[in-house]
Amino acid sequence: QVQLVQSGAEVRKPGASVKVSCKASGYTFTNYDVTWVRQAPGQGLEWMGWMNPNSGNTGFARRFQGRVTMTSDTSINTAYMELSSLTSEDTAVYYCARGIRNKLFSDSWGQGTLVTVSS
Amino acid sequence: VLTQSPGTLSLSPGERATLSCRASQSVRGDYLAWYQQRPGQAPSLLIYDASSRAAGIPDRFSGSGSGTDFTLTISRLEPEDFAVYYCQQYGWAPRSFGPGTKVEIK
Repeated sequence: QVQLVQSGAEVRKPGASVKVSCKASGYTFTNYDVTWVRQAPGQGLEWMGWMNPNSGNTGFARRFQGRVTMTSDTSINTAYMELSSLTSEDTAVYYCARGIRNKLFSDSWGQGTLVTVSS
Repeated sequence: VLTQSPGTLSLSPGERATLSCRASQSVRGDYLAWYQQRPGQAPSLLIYDASSRAAGIPDRFSGSGSGTDFTLTISRLEPEDFAVYYCQQYGWAPRSFGPGTKVEIK
């Protein structure tokens, strides 16, 4: 079955960076995109961006451009999302999800990774 | 921009739930999805392309609508259906979510 397993919770100081991993299994990794969505405590879902593991192409929501990097290692079916210049407003659960190519709705989700930004 | 109404829906098990999602501009291709999120869990896909049920989703869930107005209907609420529901458009970049509708037990 399709599974996306994310790395564990992280704590960072303001100004630092964080890198979250997402290991996929149960499907051909390069046939689907990977999307990243975050959810601040008690808030709704916020779409961050996507990447195509086959081509390396990416697209980001405007508010994250210049601050987010999305990459993948197809040899181990793993996607990564790195967010830099963290502030307390970046405290959230970060989800990776399998994205349907050219549409980018997500049919399978990781369990989420809590990133806490605190001094 | 997507708006969802109502913000909270208070219903009893067995009742019908009707959730609305309205877009500020026409959604290309009616590319709209609905997700369910239970407390402490990741979201899960219910509906895509406005009216297609995702794999394994019971037929009490249905989606309808086109253009700027979309609806998720739950015909008879089961205890496990009390959750937050989000719509997402993927007709234009960047993809975006609505603010959510919480369906709570009355």
